[in-house]
Amino acid sequence: GESVGLHLPTLSVQEGDNSIINCAYSNSASDYFIWYKQESGKGPQFIIDIRSNMDKRQGQRVTVLLNKTVKHLSLQIAATQPGDSAVYFCAERRPNTGNQFYFGTGTSLTVIP
Amino acid sequence: GAGVSQSPRYKVTKRGQDVALRCDPISGHVSLYWYRQALGQGPEFLTYFNYEAQQDKSGLPNDRFSAERPEGSISTLTIQRTEQRDSAMYRCASSLDRYGQEQFFGPGTRLTVL
Repeated sequence: GESVGLHLPTLSVQEGDNSIINCAYSNSASDYFIWYKQESGKGPQFIIDIRSNMDKRQGQRVTVLLNKTVKHLSLQIAATQPGDSAVYFCAERRPNTGNQFYFGTGTSLTVIP
Repeated sequence: GAGVSQSPRYKVTKRGQDVALRCDPISGHVSLYWYRQALGQGPEFLTYFNYEAQQDKSGLPNDRFSAERPEGSISTLTIQRTEQRDSAMYRCASSLDRYGQEQFFGPGTRLTVL
């Protein structure tokens, strides 16, 4: 399943399928990006990050893709599990504003067993 | 090891009262960030410190909000003369480096102003 972030804030996928969560950022000067997972009642949890000099980074079951041309970031989760159900936020660091981090609205992922 | 802790976890106060929210970062972490998070939204930057120096406070909504980190460890976010619109979840995050990379978030303080 795939979301378009701000336009489709809810994504439902079957357990075992791959998930793609998208995020559009606005500032071309942003040099560092992070994906966070936030479960209900908890604080955001770091998943994976990527610098602007990279276009892909892989972690355990997760991959982040960065397309600077269109200012787009995506998080791919392989073999989605029920424990992946959460709200996912992307955050961008804008160095021309000090080291402020700006978070997107988030996408709610629901994994259907 | 211990993560970021915040206290109190819940605070209910009357309009006009001052409140102080505490953040205890991971030991040795250089940078400390304060955010405010509305329900269903991403965290909104308020201010951040590297060691004891406040680097940027441009996200603080107005001069009723202030923050300090006098010894480069524990930080306090103070809201004076609270208003109902201040009600929110206030979150603290710390990072090992001075650039805020890989921030670890605390559980937050839920502030309710009556």
